[in-house]
Amino acid sequence: EVQLVESGGGLVQPGRSLRLSCAASGFTFDDYAMHWVRQVPGKGLEWVSGISWSSGSVGYADSVKGRFTISRDNAKSSLYLQMNSLRTEDMALYYCAKDMGPVWRRASLDYWGQGTLVTVSS
Amino acid sequence: QSALTQPASVSGSPGQSITISCTGTSSDVGGYSYVSWYQHHPGNAPKLLIYDVSNRPSGVSDRFSGSKSGNTASLTISGLQAEDEADYYCSSYTSSTTLVFGGGTKLTVL
Repeated sequence: EVQLVESGGGLVQPGRSLRLSCAASGFTFDDYAMHWVRQVPGKGLEWVSGISWSSGSVGYADSVKGRFTISRDNAKSSLYLQMNSLRTEDMALYYCAKDMGPVWRRASLDYWGQGTLVTVSS
Repeated sequence: QSALTQPASVSGSPGQSITISCTGTSSDVGGYSYVSWYQHHPGNAPKLLIYDVSNRPSGVSDRFSGSKSGNTASLTISGLQAEDEADYYCSSYTSSTTLVFGGGTKLTVL
């Protein structure tokens, strides 16, 4: 059974940093691209970032480019999102999601975690 | 990158068919075959319904189908059931090397 478990969310002040993690199991992690998607409660989904199976290709939404960094450790079957210079508009539920293929541009997210909540407030 | 345009809400009666549109530009929906659709029951994880415009993952009911014409993609749900009531989102790869979601459509089964 595919499982994606996010962690690392919490309350953080504007301008500070936070690192999200996603522990994957139930599939061969290094065969697939991975993504982070966020959702402000009551609002729509927003793609944040994607990374290919080998980390050779990454992509970011314009809203986080230069502030967030996606990475993965295939040996640990883990995905990460380093979030720096956080803003109040980054406050959301952050989902980790698996792609059906090895490259992130295909955007076929077939398994999702339950999300971890990030609150940005002073 | 602007969100793809979806109707805010659609409704239908059990057994009927409905179609949800997803309008973008030649830089996203119209330019690539990387269009996906997701069903999201609030409080649960989103579920992939359609990928690559019209392909269904294994386990997804054939009541769900996808298509594309020009810059607009569509999701059709036939034989509406009460459990189809949910939020639906489209997504597409873009020429800016990003992914973009639609604003979401709330489906109400009357």
